[in-house]
Amino acid sequence: EVQLVESGGGLLQPGGSLRLSCATSGFTFSTYAMSWVRQAPGKGLEWVSATNYDGVGTYYADSVKGRFTISRDNSKNTLYLQMNSLRAEDTAVYYCAKGGQWLPTPFDYWGQGALVTVSS
Amino acid sequence: QSALTQPRSVSGSPGQSVTISCTGTSSDVGAYDYVSWYQQHPGKAPKFMIYDVSKRPSGVPDRFSGSKSANTASLTISGLQAEDEADYYCCSYAGSYIVVFGGGTKLTVL
Repeated sequence: EVQLVESGGGLLQPGGSLRLSCATSGFTFSTYAMSWVRQAPGKGLEWVSATNYDGVGTYYADSVKGRFTISRDNSKNTLYLQMNSLRAEDTAVYYCAKGGQWLPTPFDYWGQGALVTVSS
Repeated sequence: QSALTQPRSVSGSPGQSVTISCTGTSSDVGAYDYVSWYQQHPGKAPKFMIYDVSKRPSGVPDRFSGSKSANTASLTISGLQAEDEADYYCCSYAGSYIVVFGGGTKLTVL
């Protein structure tokens, strides 16, 4: 059974930093692209970032470019999102999502989400 | 990286059919047959419903179908059931490993 479990969410002040983790199991993690997708309260889904199967390729939405860094540890089957210079508008539930082997989509499995709240 | 355009809401009675549109550009929906659709119930993670425009993952009822014409993709749900009431999101590959979502459509089953 495929499982994705996010952790690391929390409440922090503007300008702060946070690292999210997504522990995976049930599939060969090292052969699939992975993404982070967020959802602000009461809003729609927004793709944030993706990494290809080996972590060499990393890609970002314009809204987070230069502030967020995606990475993966294929030896630990874990995906990460380092978030720096956080803003109020980054407040959202952050989902990790499993992608395809050659492309970031489709997202066939999702985690339960981690809530990040940025507020003073 | 502009969001795809979906209607804010659609509705239908049990047993009827509804179609949700998803309009993009020649750089995303129109350029690739990599449109997918997700269903989200309140407080839950999105669920994978359609991929590659019209393919259904295992376990998704055949009442759900997808199509595409030019820059617009569509999700059709036939034989509406109460449990279909949810938010639906389209998603498209936009090249260079970039992904774009639609704004979401709230489906109400009357």
